[in-house]
Amino acid sequence: AQKITQTQPGMFVQEKEAVTLDCTYDTSDPSYGLFWYKQPSSGEMIFLIYQGSYDQQNATEGRYSLNFQKARKSANLVISASQLGDSAMYFCAMRGHNTNAGKSTFGDGTTLTVKP
Amino acid sequence: NAGVTQTPKFQVLKTGQSMTLQCAQDMNHNSMYWYRQDPGMGLRLIYYSASEGTTDKGEVPNGYNVSRLNKREFSLRLESAAPSQTSVYFCASSEGGGAPDTGELFFGEGSRLTVL
Repeated sequence: AQKITQTQPGMFVQEKEAVTLDCTYDTSDPSYGLFWYKQPSSGEMIFLIYQGSYDQQNATEGRYSLNFQKARKSANLVISASQLGDSAMYFCAMRGHNTNAGKSTFGDGTTLTVKP
Repeated sequence: NAGVTQTPKFQVLKTGQSMTLQCAQDMNHNSMYWYRQDPGMGLRLIYYSASEGTTDKGEVPNGYNVSRLNKREFSLRLESAAPSQTSVYFCASSEGGGAPDTGELFFGEGSRLTVL
């Protein structure tokens, strides 16, 4: 089994500041991948960033970085220099590579609001 | 560049009616998925197909059936719709293909289903 927990239903951040969205996970697979997706109010799902469980370095993609702490089973998303267009719902997800291969599990999401 | 196409985008059903949601991808992906998203919540996996010819249950399979018609197409059928199946349904695909699937999910635009 695998589970994703996002404990922040809503977050506010001032434009141009950085924000961290929390994600903790649990899985029985020794190898797995962690993902973050963005869902704007228009409803589409947009992939942001990926971290493999055996990757030595934290993943970065432009203004997005993933703070991966394997021992704590956390995979927090950091957005630097927030923009108004970052206002959206953000989902953490994982996919196991063994028992849970093929099953991408999502958290309940965090709604981020960027204030001007 | 179509990506993942799902139809219909909107549907209203009466309790007990049946319908099929169609999904097709043009990225030559091996794995395909059906999720449902209820208001304010994350995505829950209904069924997935790791490769052509295989299907497996996800977290919430009851009341649904799927068919992996070929590598491109993966349909979701509601045999006897119930109000609890009112939701937004997303089809998604990923590379898959044997080795650990580290690829992100590519999503369709979603299908909004209302069961009265």
